Amino acid sequence: EIVLTQSPGTLSLSPGERATLSCRASQSLSVNTLAWYQQKPGQAPRLLVYATGHRATGIPDRFSASGAGTDFALTIRRLEREDFAVYYCHQYDTSPQTFGQGTKVEIK
Amino acid sequence: QVQLVQSGPEMKKPGASVKVSCRASGYTFTAYSVHWVRQAPGQKFEWLGCIKAGTGYTEYSHNFQDRVTITTDTSASTVYMELSSLRSADTALYYCARDGYSFRYYFDFWGQGTLVTVSS
Repeated sequence: EIVLTQSPGTLSLSPGERATLSCRASQSLSVNTLAWYQQKPGQAPRLLVYATGHRATGIPDRFSASGAGTDFALTIRRLEREDFAVYYCHQYDTSPQTFGQGTKVEIK
Repeated sequence: QVQLVQSGPEMKKPGASVKVSCRASGYTFTAYSVHWVRQAPGQKFEWLGCIKAGTGYTEYSHNFQDRVTITTDTSASTVYMELSSLRSADTALYYCARDGYSFRYYFDFWGQGTLVTVSS
């Protein structure tokens, strides 16, 4: 199965700073088969991005994502307090679908 | 608005089975697929399987192939996930999630999660 490895494990930043999260796949993914989710404590994940770079409905444009093959990234242009959370990547190219271990974005 | 509401927490003994429900509302139930995913403490999310609500066609992860069964009751707009031969490693938060496009895609709406605890 495809293994997704996210880095860094934790990102300590201040509001207003830029966050760049990485997701690397153990094998190349077909086009547009990667999604990103945000999860806050005690809540279910929320879809941020699907098909590599398409923002989900209602997601602000400070979130952007890109990538291809085995290397993908999620960027949060200017962090707002509500963005401090854990972020997961998810591949739906090959069964079983798999997730990264998450990157925690915490307030510095 | 789309909502997925799951059944309450469960406590089971090793070797038992658990059946979790997920009631959908706010959309045409039979037009979408529903997945089941779990999150164990300190572990990655694991995908268990999915079902096309309109046809009942299922696909399961080979990691759970022999132990998981996903079904629907279209009259109640509800999806069920049953996991058998439970062991302590199955202790986790189980989520249902709607497929955002067709059948093997991303998850656009999630249930609130159901905690399943397996302990003797």
